[in-house]
Amino acid sequence: AQKITQTQPGMFVQEKEAVTLDCTYDTSDQSYGLFWYKQPSSGEMIFLIYQGSYDEQNATEGRYSLNFQKARKSANLVISASHLGDSAMYFCAMREVDSNYQLIWGAGTKLIIKP
Amino acid sequence: DTGVSQDPRHKITKRGQNVTFRCDPISEHNRLYWYRQTLGQGPEFLTYFQNEAQLEKSRLLSDRFSAERPKGSFSTLEIQRTEQGDSAMYLCASTSGALTGNEQFFGPGTRLTVL
Repeated sequence: AQKITQTQPGMFVQEKEAVTLDCTYDTSDQSYGLFWYKQPSSGEMIFLIYQGSYDEQNATEGRYSLNFQKARKSANLVISASHLGDSAMYFCAMREVDSNYQLIWGAGTKLIIKP
Repeated sequence: DTGVSQDPRHKITKRGQNVTFRCDPISEHNRLYWYRQTLGQGPEFLTYFQNEAQLEKSRLLSDRFSAERPKGSFSTLEIQRTEQGDSAMYLCASTSGALTGNEQFFGPGTRLTVL
C-alpha cells in the first residue's frame, strides 16, 4: 500500500498566485516526520520544510507553509506568491520513528509556473 | 562548498560492466543514505550507514549491489554486471543525529545510463 500519496502529477499556476500541493500519508506510528523537497531539472533534492507529528502549529519557512491536518493524514505544501523559479518537481516524504531516519517518498508533483 | 558531493555526475556504461559511485557527505554527519530514483518517480531507499556500519539494506539492493563507508567518511556504491534496469539517478544524502527536523541533505546525484 502507498504510504505517501501525491494525487497531482502536474500543475500549472500563474506567476504570483499561491499554489497548494497535496500530500496524504499512511502510518500507524504516533511519532513521525513529514518533509517536502523540491527537485529542479538539475536533479538536486532541496529541503523545503519539515513538520513533526507532535508539532501543534503548522510549519512555515518563508514563502512555504505546511497545512498539517493530522486527523485527515494530510500534509499539503502551500507556496505563496509563486515565481518562475518555483517550477520544479515537488516531493512529499515521511520518516517513521523506527525507520533509521530513512525517507519514504511520494511520486511527486510537477509544478510549472506560467509567466 | 561544504555540501554533499557525488562523483561522477554522469556515467554511461555498457551492460555487463561494473560501475562505482562515490559520495562525500557533510563532514559532521554520521548518517549516510543511498537512494535510487527512476524517471518520473520519487526516490527509493537503498541502504543506510551510521558511521562505518551498514545498518539497513533494502530488498531493492540485489547481490550485484554493494556499498561501503570505510572510516565513516565517504561512501561508495558499486554495481556489478550492470543491467539496463539499473539506469537511474543514484542519490546520496547525509544527516546528523539531531532530534529536531533531521532533514537529509542531498548531493547532486549520479545519473547512470546502461546501454
